Amino acid sequence: EDQVTQSPEALRLQEGESSSLNCSYTVSGLRGLFWYRQDPGKGPEFLFTLYSAGEEKEKERLKATLTKKESFLHITAPKPEDSATYLCAVQETSGSRLTFGEGTQLTVNP
Amino acid sequence: NAGVMQNPRHLVRRRGQEARLRCSPMKGHSHVYWYRQLPEEGLKFMVYLQKENIIDESGMPKERFSAEFPKEGPSILRIQQVVRGDSAAYFCASSPSGEKLFFGSGTQLSVL
Repeated sequence: EDQVTQSPEALRLQEGESSSLNCSYTVSGLRGLFWYRQDPGKGPEFLFTLYSAGEEKEKERLKATLTKKESFLHITAPKPEDSATYLCAVQETSGSRLTFGEGTQLTVNP
Repeated sequence: NAGVMQNPRHLVRRRGQEARLRCSPMKGHSHVYWYRQLPEEGLKFMVYLQKENIIDESGMPKERFSAEFPKEGPSILRIQQVVRGDSAAYFCASSPSGEKLFFGSGTQLSVL
């Protein structure tokens, strides 16, 4: 059974203070690893898909990386508007559904 | 191109009533997924459908819950005889190819 563990559960940063979120996963065959952002009362918003170890993707202040066992979401010089819950999910080669972690709740203080 | 549309946004039911949640996928998307999110918990997969077919319902409770995605019209998640434990946010997602999922804003179900 697929397992996804995210850490930390919650993270508070000062504006401009860079940090990383971790996503550890266990899957029989990885089709893709996904990062989503979720704001309160809203559905998850797609950020990135990573397909193979060593792959990196960037969008504004966010960069996602992937190894065979984990993924990191690096946040560089965050702003208060980056405050949200960040969700990691894996998709198996044999299926289509996503298995999500519990998320990291990020708060960026001005 | 409108996103994934879910309605209603909020639904209040009394114990024992039926709840019907609707999801219209993005245009051109034939894959639909339903997820449930309990307070302070992650998203849990319920069911995956393509037009007129249930592909994977391994996350769906065996009783009281059913889902459909007819040839015409939205996908429906139906919960019969609701109980307080069914209170949660229900999210629908759609995909054009079964790979990247796009989520709706969810339906918040409250059972009194």
